[in-house]
Formats: sequence, structure tokens, C-alpha cells
Amino acid sequence: GQQLNQSPQSMFIQEGEDVSMNCTSSSIFNTWLWYKQDPGEGPVLLIALYKAGELTSNGRLTAQFGITRKDSFLNISASIPSDVGIYFCAGSPQGGSEKLVFGKGTKLTVNP
Amino acid sequence: DTGVSQNPRHKITKRGQNVTFRCDPISEHNRLYWYRQTLGQGPEFLTYFQNEAQLEKSRLLSDRFSAERPKGSFSTLEIQRTEQGDSAMYLCASSGNQGGRLYFGPGTRLTVL
Repeated sequence: GQQLNQSPQSMFIQEGEDVSMNCTSSSIFNTWLWYKQDPGEGPVLLIALYKAGELTSNGRLTAQFGITRKDSFLNISASIPSDVGIYFCAGSPQGGSEKLVFGKGTKLTVNP
Repeated sequence: DTGVSQNPRHKITKRGQNVTFRCDPISEHNRLYWYRQTLGQGPEFLTYFQNEAQLEKSRLLSDRFSAERPKGSFSTLEIQRTEQGDSAMYLCASSGNQGGRLYFGPGTRLTVL
């Protein structure tokens, strides 16, 4: 079945540093999305990408839809303590299904 | 915009009991999804409704699980004869016509003793 491989699993950084995480798949996805989840809460949508090659920013966050349609990355610039959380990539697989497939998440810790 | 709401937020039950969760989607959204999330994992798709029609179900949704959306607004997810392996966060999400943009509720944390 469709699976998303998300890396790294966890990151420990200093406040002010930039962060990069990515997601890959062996199959094509029509849509890529990035979510952030705080403990005990539901995921919150950060960025949605719809076209291969698309580069989209949301404040300090930038994400790209890979040209092969099998990968995506998320960058966070100048990290701050409230960036702490688990970041998930998610994709809508080719084939008409409405479901999103999620990666296992990248846990981000920011040291002040 | 009140967002997606879920009730209860937490449920503790004994093995073998039935439980029911409720989800109220964003009011103008016609699509509603149920996901399950266990510790250290991403959300896993369970089922999807467009209006009142249940259009897709995962193989994860055993015959002990049933979901309804009778009037195309709120939805309920029932688990019969709960097992310890059912312990998880159950997430509801909704979306409108902009495909793929799912907005999640806060989840219901189920613990089966």
C-alpha cells in the first residue's frame, strides 16, 4: 500500500536555527500537506501543495512539492520555542481516493 | 468559524463495553473523515463521508466499528465490544470543496482497561 517515509524521526535544535525535514514515497501523490500536532491535540494544517514543483510559504515555513510527485520537504527558518511539536507530512495518493496517508512524524525540540 | 469539535475528549472504558464518539464538522464542509492515531504514529484513515453517504472504509475498520452521518452534518463512531487494542486517539476531520485540505478536531482519547 501507499506509505510515506518521513525523516528525520526527531530533531534537537537551538532557537534561531533553521530546520529541514522531508517525506518520500515509492508511489505518486496528487497532493502534499504538512501538519503540526501538539500533545493531546489534533493536527493543524500548515501548508498544502497541489502541483509538482510548487513552492509555498507560510510565514517562516516553506514547503515544496517534488517534481517527481514522490516527495516533499518542509523548512522552518529562524526557529522559536513555540515551533516545538510533531510535524507530519500527508499526501493524497493517485487513484481518486479521498483519504490522506500520513508519515510517522518528525518530533522537533527547540532549546531556548 | 468554530472549527471541528469532538466529544468526549477522553473516554475510559472496560474491555467488552460499547463506546460512541461524536464529531461536529465545520458547518459548510460536506466531507467528514475518521482517523485513528496510536502513540508514535501518524493518523491512520478509517472512513470517509460525503454528505450522508459513507464512500470509503479502511480494512482497519473491523465489524465492531460503525460510523454514521445521518443528516450529513454531525457524525458518530461506535465501537462495540471494545478491546485493549482499540486504545488510541480517534480524530475527526472535515473538508470542503478544496480537495485534500483536512481540518482536524482535537480528538477523543480512548483508553480500554
